[in-house]
Amino acid sequence: KQEVTQIPAALSVPEGENLVLNCSFTDSAIYNLQWFRQDPGKGLTSLLLIQSSQREQTSGRLNASLDKSSGRSTLYIAASQPGDSATYLCAVSGGGKSTFGDGTTLTVKP
Amino acid sequence: NAGVMQNPRHLVRRRGQEARLRCSPMKGHSHVYWYRQLPEEGLKFMVYLQKENIIDESGMPKERFSAEFPKEGPSILRIQQVVRGDSAAYFCASSPSASADTGELFFGEGSRLTVL
Repeated sequence: KQEVTQIPAALSVPEGENLVLNCSFTDSAIYNLQWFRQDPGKGLTSLLLIQSSQREQTSGRLNASLDKSSGRSTLYIAASQPGDSATYLCAVSGGGKSTFGDGTTLTVKP
Repeated sequence: NAGVMQNPRHLVRRRGQEARLRCSPMKGHSHVYWYRQLPEEGLKFMVYLQKENIIDESGMPKERFSAEFPKEGPSILRIQQVVRGDSAAYFCASSPSASADTGELFFGEGSRLTVL
């Protein structure tokens, strides 16, 4: 059974700082890994999708990496802004469904 | 191209009533997934459906919960005889191909069920 862990559970940083969110998974037989953002009371917005054959994906100030063999992914956010404050979720897909971590709640202070 | 549409956005039910949640996937998507998010918790998989077929319902409670995705119309998640523990946000996601085939998931805004 796939288990996904996200560390830390919460993170508070001053504006402008670069930061890394971590995601680990127990079963390396995955098809893809997806990072999402969730604002309070809202749905999930897809940020980046990494296929199992890829090592990283970039979109603007976001960079996600994937190391299947070690069961890890990181989401790097450069030059953080208050608007980045949200909960970030990673999900790994395999066996016909995606399994989510519990998320990292990020607060970026002005 | 409209995104995944869920309704109602908010639903209040008394214990013992029925709740019906609807999900229309993105145009061209034939795979639908339902997830539940309890307060202060992560998303938990419930069920995966394709048109007229339940593919994986391993996350569905054995009683009171059912899901369908008919040939025509939205996918429906039905909860009978609701209890307070059913209060949660229910999210629907769709994909153009099965997640197992590298499909990207697109989520709706969720339906928030409150059981009084």
